[in-house]
Amino acid sequence: DTEVTQTPKHLVMGMTNKKSLKCEQHMGHRAMYWYKQKAKKPPELMFVYSYEKLSINESVPSRFSPECPNSSLLNLHLHALQPEDSALYLCASSQEVTGDSPLHFGNGTRLTVT
Amino acid sequence: AQSVTQLGSHVSVSEGALVLLRCNYSSSVPPYLFWYVQYPNQGLQLLLKYTSAATLVKGINGFEAEFKKSETSFHLTKPSAHMRDAAEYFCAVNKRAGGFKTIFGAGTRLFVKA
Repeated sequence: DTEVTQTPKHLVMGMTNKKSLKCEQHMGHRAMYWYKQKAKKPPELMFVYSYEKLSINESVPSRFSPECPNSSLLNLHLHALQPEDSALYLCASSQEVTGDSPLHFGNGTRLTVT
Repeated sequence: AQSVTQLGSHVSVSEGALVLLRCNYSSSVPPYLFWYVQYPNQGLQLLLKYTSAATLVKGINGFEAEFKKSETSFHLTKPSAHMRDAAEYFCAVNKRAGGFKTIFGAGTRLFVKA
C-alpha cells in the first residue's frame, strides 16, 4: 500500500473542462512534487513544493496550476487541456528537498483528454 | 550536468537467472543515485539509494547495486530472478537545482521467462 494517496485514479475530461487532481500524504514530508509520465517513458518533473512554497516550475504551460493548501495536500488544477496532455500524473513526496531524500510516489491519476 | 544513462531498454532473463540492469551516471561530484521500480498501473517504488556511506548498497526484494566511481556506474543486480520481478526499472540521480530535483533514466523493462 502506498502512503501517498492520489484521487481520482482515472479522469476523462474534455478540452473545455476544469478539473483538479488531488494528492495527500501523512508522513510529515515537507516536499511534494508533480510528475507527468507518458507511456513507456520516465516521469518528467513538473512542479516542486518545499515547505508549501513553489520552488521549481519546469516551464509547465499555464493550463496546469498547482496548489499546496498545507503540508499534507497538493492539488493540480487543470483547465483547457489538449489531447497531448493525456498521461499518468504522479504525485510524490520526500522528507526534504535534499540530495539524499528519496521520493515516495502515489499510484497516479490516469488522465485522458478528449 | 548530472544525468544517468540506462543501457538496454529491454532485458529478458529466465526465472532463477541473474538479473543485471545497467546504469551509468555523469557527474562532476559524487552523486546521489537511486533505483526505482514501477509495476504495471502503479507509481514508482524505491528499491535502494546510494549516498556515499558504502559502495555496495542492499535494497528491497533481494536487489543490490554497486557504486563504481572508476566506471561511473551504478548497476543493479539480483542473484535469482522471480516472475514477480517483471517490471520497469529506473535509475535516477538527484541533481542540484536550487535545492534538488530527481532526474530519471529512460528505464529498462525486465521480462522474466518461466
